Amino acid sequence: ETGVTQSPTHLIKTRGQQVTLRCSSQSGHNTVSWYQQALGQGPQFIFQYYREEENGRGNFPPRFSGLQFPNYSSELNVNALELDDSALYLCASRRTGTHYGYTFGSGTRLTVV
Amino acid sequence: KNEVEQSPQNLTAQEGEFITINCSYSVGISALHWLQQHPGGGIVSLFMLSSGKKKHGRLIATINIQEKHSSLHITASHPRDSAVYICAVRSGQGAQKLVFGQGTRLTINP
Repeated sequence: ETGVTQSPTHLIKTRGQQVTLRCSSQSGHNTVSWYQQALGQGPQFIFQYYREEENGRGNFPPRFSGLQFPNYSSELNVNALELDDSALYLCASRRTGTHYGYTFGSGTRLTVV
Repeated sequence: KNEVEQSPQNLTAQEGEFITINCSYSVGISALHWLQQHPGGGIVSLFMLSSGKKKHGRLIATINIQEKHSSLHITASHPRDSAVYICAVRSGQGAQKLVFGQGTRLTINP
């Protein structure tokens, strides 16, 4: 198994722009969730996908959207970037079943200027 | 009040000391995770617990479901243990999500 890979590792965007962050999960990990971690804080749940459908969402506005693909990859899209969107974005995936744990990616650090 | 609370927020100790980090939660859970995050940001899963106790090398994690409390212990601490340790609970009806604590920043001095 190759783990969870996120790209890019770092990104700088201008306020108002749009960004797409990518996550490549392990084969068989059909649940993927995305988290936003502001500096000095614990990660906050953005949303979760299971078999290409969103099945859970945190307290984030609709300009945060996602996709999950059949090849176990996924995307987080953020429109109309705001300065407060600057954070580390983490994806985590797992197999279905409560006895399976999560595998985390190394994150994408987004800076909005 | 956060659903997952960790203490202490910061901990500095000398090499060799026994370390304890605590986690309390207020929601129903199916599992509790202890995670390690290094300065680069990547997160490594240390333990997943739903009851009792688990041990891996110098790390021990315990959970008391009735008291909604978990502890992470590090024996014979080493400077390479310096990291942020995060407690996260898997919670929710239907689609379960992880709810994270704020993290404990551990520094082990040589």
